[in-house]
Amino acid sequence: NAGVTQTPKFQVLKTGQSMTLQCAQDMNHEYMSWYRQDPGMGLRLIHYSVGAGITDQGEVPNGYNVSRSTTEDFPLRLLSAAPSQTSVYFCASSSESWNTEAFFGQGTRLTVV
Amino acid sequence: GQQLNQSPQSMFIQEGEDVSMNCTSSSIFNTWLWYKQDPGEGPVLLIALYKAGELTSNGRLTAQFGITRKDSFLNISASIPSDVGIYFCAGNRDDKIIFGKGTRLHILP
Repeated sequence: NAGVTQTPKFQVLKTGQSMTLQCAQDMNHEYMSWYRQDPGMGLRLIHYSVGAGITDQGEVPNGYNVSRSTTEDFPLRLLSAAPSQTSVYFCASSSESWNTEAFFGQGTRLTVV
Repeated sequence: GQQLNQSPQSMFIQEGEDVSMNCTSSSIFNTWLWYKQDPGEGPVLLIALYKAGELTSNGRLTAQFGITRKDSFLNISASIPSDVGIYFCAGNRDDKIIFGKGTRLHILP
């Protein structure tokens, strides 16, 4: 009963490096999204998807890319990491729309030095 | 930037006290949601509100969807130690969920 799985749990990057944060869900949910959480800022939406092949920008998309080639997976790519991207990243999924319960992964804590 | 104003930012209360927090927005939302986040975990849904004026309870938690669809409140009665955490309001509009900045609840021994 995995739910939403994020990998890795922790990551340290050097400025300028690229990497992909993985998110997979096994609930056949159509809706998936990525958030970043910073102290005092709550959860800010980076990118979201309402189904395979469909993605859109959220509140803070700059510096991040996403793709949704399958229903299950929604990877988040950092093209050239910057210290401002140090944060905790959460992936979430929901069945038909965000009116139903969104299930969150346990988060990826990223530090960019 | 953030479209939801959540208050208070933090609360320090004694065990057994009631808690009240609220969320306001300049925009209308179709659904209001309240989540709780424990340390090191992702947020978990507490209550979902779908209609203006709706009042919903979940155990010791009660939440209401404001008549104007621009605000919501969450009450916790008779707080217990496991209520400690961060509470987020969230609004659903245009296929997106927008979160407030959270209310951090501390319970004094």
